[in-house]
Amino acid sequence: GAVVSQHPSRVICKSGTSVKIECRSLDFQATTMFWYRQFPKQSLMLMATSNEGSKATYEQGVEKDKFLINHASLTLSTLTVTSAHPEDSSFYICSARDMKQGAGFGNQPQHFGDGTRLSIL
Amino acid sequence: AQKVTQAQTEISVVEKEDVTLDCVYETRDTTYYLFWYKQPPSGELVFLIRRNSFDEQNEISGRYSWNFQKSTSSFNFTITASQVVDSAVYFCALKNPLPDKLIFGTGTRLQVFP
Repeated sequence: GAVVSQHPSRVICKSGTSVKIECRSLDFQATTMFWYRQFPKQSLMLMATSNEGSKATYEQGVEKDKFLINHASLTLSTLTVTSAHPEDSSFYICSARDMKQGAGFGNQPQHFGDGTRLSIL
Repeated sequence: AQKVTQAQTEISVVEKEDVTLDCVYETRDTTYYLFWYKQPPSGELVFLIRRNSFDEQNEISGRYSWNFQKSTSSFNFTITASQVVDSAVYFCALKNPLPDKLIFGTGTRLQVFP
């Protein structure tokens, strides 16, 4: 159980292209999903928290117009990297929290997708 | 301040050796949650364990064990009789009630050689 599917797993595209990444919780409902960015050999950096039916909350320094997040249903959140440039090349990984697991707010583990490796030429 | 420190950047062991990955955290909250995740070379993060701050009971799951010590703010992870498949980056993470987000350590890269 608690499977998160992320698609695509790898994208290579030209500079200026917009890229959409999907994150789906397959066997549970997730009112909250998270988007992270990870540079090679570094830790995960939270970009934004995505709440179903409302606007995403972005971390300081993350451009909301650059990284568009939509969480239209309890099982799907999307991240669109608009007008991508080489410096946007990175590993993007989403996670979803199963609100039914664990007791108490915040105790539920986040379940992660397989990540999307984005390469902008 | 909320912070997670994994001082060991890389660890190399030979198969069947025991290995302990250290995790030290800082938080002002009395209620918090700790997690360990594994990131194999394929990239996905695999949830291993969560621990609540009010539950200091250590846990064992097969070859994995976790030692939670509130007195030293540590949540160390031991792999017994390591195997090549254990090779991965391991992240320790902290979650306070607010803000609603995980704070990751910098990770420890474990390499297990045959």
